[in-house]
Amino acid sequence: GESVGLHLPTLSVQEGDNSIINCAYSNSASDYFIWYKQESGKGPQFIIDIRSNMDKRQGQRVTVLLNKTVKHLSLQIAATQPGDSAVYFCAAGPGGKLIFGQGTELSVKP
Amino acid sequence: DVKVTQSSRYLVKRTGEKVFLECVQDMDHENMFWYRQDPGLGLRLIYFSYDVKMKEKGDIPEGYSVSREKKERFSLILESASTNQTSMYLCASSFRIRVNTEAFFGQGTRLTVV
Repeated sequence: GESVGLHLPTLSVQEGDNSIINCAYSNSASDYFIWYKQESGKGPQFIIDIRSNMDKRQGQRVTVLLNKTVKHLSLQIAATQPGDSAVYFCAAGPGGKLIFGQGTELSVKP
Repeated sequence: DVKVTQSSRYLVKRTGEKVFLECVQDMDHENMFWYRQDPGLGLRLIYFSYDVKMKEKGDIPEGYSVSREKKERFSLILESASTNQTSMYLCASSFRIRVNTEAFFGQGTRLTVV
């Protein structure tokens, strides 16, 4: 069946460095991809999304890259801050039904 | 702002009890979802609904049922709670299924079955 997987369950970065979180998906029909951030005790919050007709999309301090050839997407966070510490999920889906990966826990060292 | 509200943050129930988890959204979204979240497994879809009285099974529907009598409310029912249903339950909503759009999540209900 469909699956979405993250490459690393945990990631530790120094404050001020850039973070890169990677994700792979299995369904070639997936046409919509989204990254969520989940802080402790809260529900997931939307960060950024990208549609399959794009390779790159930028937000405030975040960039999502999509490589449909190898079914891979990544989230880049520039100048990582302590407030970025959280679990990050990627999700993929055709239509509104999203399939989530397991999550990567990002820790930011001061 | 979109608001998805789950009725309880924490619940403790006994094995065999019938458990109701309630979710309400205030943005007139057609789609509503129930996920469970477990360490190392991410979010897994239990059931979703794209209209009133409509429901479809997700990836792990066994032991659960749902009810959607009104557009804004989606209930998850554990018919006979078991210890392996101890988990974090997340409700989400979004606009209609054919439009690619993000889902908005509630804060979650942490259910413990003893």
